[in-house]
Amino acid sequence: GQQLNQSPQSMFIQEGEDVSMNCTSSSIFNTWLWYKQDPGEGPVLLIALYKAGELTSNGRLTAQFGITRKDSFLNISASIPSDVGIYFCAGQRLTIQGAQKLVFGQGTRLTINP
Amino acid sequence: DSGVTQTPKHLITATGQRVTLRCSPRSGDLSVYWYQQSLDQGLQFLIQYYNGEERAKGNILERFSAQQFPDLHSELNLSSLELGDSALYFCASSPDTGANVLTFGAGSRLTVL
Repeated sequence: GQQLNQSPQSMFIQEGEDVSMNCTSSSIFNTWLWYKQDPGEGPVLLIALYKAGELTSNGRLTAQFGITRKDSFLNISASIPSDVGIYFCAGQRLTIQGAQKLVFGQGTRLTINP
Repeated sequence: DSGVTQTPKHLITATGQRVTLRCSPRSGDLSVYWYQQSLDQGLQFLIQYYNGEERAKGNILERFSAQQFPDLHSELNLSSLELGDSALYFCASSPDTGANVLTFGAGSRLTVL
């Protein structure tokens, strides 16, 4: 099936550091989404990107929809303890059958040392 | 609270048994999606329903089935359970079939002993 390559798989950083993670694919997507999952909870949408080249911010979070439509990145600036969790990228594309399909990356687990 | 309600939150059962997981979508959402998340794994898409009808199927085992009822709530049935079925099962909903911005529930953690 369709794969999204999300990296890194895990990150161990100091509080206050900036974080960068990305997703790449061999296929084109028409929407990119970034979700965060706290321990014991369901994923929560952070940022949605709908246009190639789009750069969107949400507080300390910034995400971009790659110009080739095959990749996206998420940056977190000045990390704080509550940023701990698993971050998932998701790409949406139209299938041959005409249905919208959402594919998730494997996640980036972020750990912050105070 | 995301507005998507899943029950039960935790479930422990034995191999060979059958369980039913329940999901109520966010008010106004017509589409329901089921995902499986095994330990330290990503989200694997199982199946999607829209307004009572199956719309898309992912890597769902034949031992698993789902349905969406007229009141739009959905149930995921897991039968002949195996140890490897232990996982978090998430339900998500969206307003339409676009699978665009999904709202997830808190999940049901299934442990098969």
